Amino acid sequence: GQSLEQPSEVTAVEGAIVQINCTYQTSGFYGLSWYQQHDGGAPTFLSYNALDGLEETGRFSSFLSRSDSYGYLLLQELQMKDSASYFCAVNAGGGNKLTFGTGTQLKVEL
Amino acid sequence: EAGVTQFPSHSVIEKGQTVTLRCDPISGHDNLYWYRRVMGKEIKFLLHFVKESKQDESGMPNNRFLAERTGGTYSTLKVQPAELEDSGVYFCASSQDQGARAFFGQGTRLTVV
Repeated sequence: GQSLEQPSEVTAVEGAIVQINCTYQTSGFYGLSWYQQHDGGAPTFLSYNALDGLEETGRFSSFLSRSDSYGYLLLQELQMKDSASYFCAVNAGGGNKLTFGTGTQLKVEL
Repeated sequence: EAGVTQFPSHSVIEKGQTVTLRCDPISGHDNLYWYRRVMGKEIKFLLHFVKESKQDESGMPNNRFLAERTGGTYSTLKVQPAELEDSGVYFCASSQDQGARAFFGQGTRLTVV
């Protein structure tokens, strides 16, 4: 089977840095994606890592260690609008079928 | 460019009734996916179309669910007859190729009472 684990909730203050971890167990692995979802909205693609290392896109960065089956999403200079659910998702096989984690609810406070 | 659109946004039906959800992918995207999120749980894969063909339907829960993609454009997901446990948010996503980035619609919130 396949499983992904991430914290259920994270709280941080505006302007801070927060890291959301994701560990996975899958029978295959092509890459790790991160999606953001605001209440009632569509999951929105944030980043993708196929190889080990750090990918940076503006205030968001994502890291992957394939040997540790581990990745994280780093959000810098937090803003109130970053309050949302964040999902890690593994592409474990052909066809870009995604297996999602249960999501991390991020609350940004003043 | 229009994103992935889903209709309806909400549906409330009684147990035993039939509901049909529709998804219009981004124009030119051959790959179309259906996912479902049941309350409090993770988003789970249902099936994957490449054009009009079902590439992978391993996530379809049972034969009460029928997905079609006539002509390789929009897709429908029919639930017949609906059961209480079918309640959840049904997401559609599309991608141009079988790479990493999938674009999701806003979902259809289905409530079976």
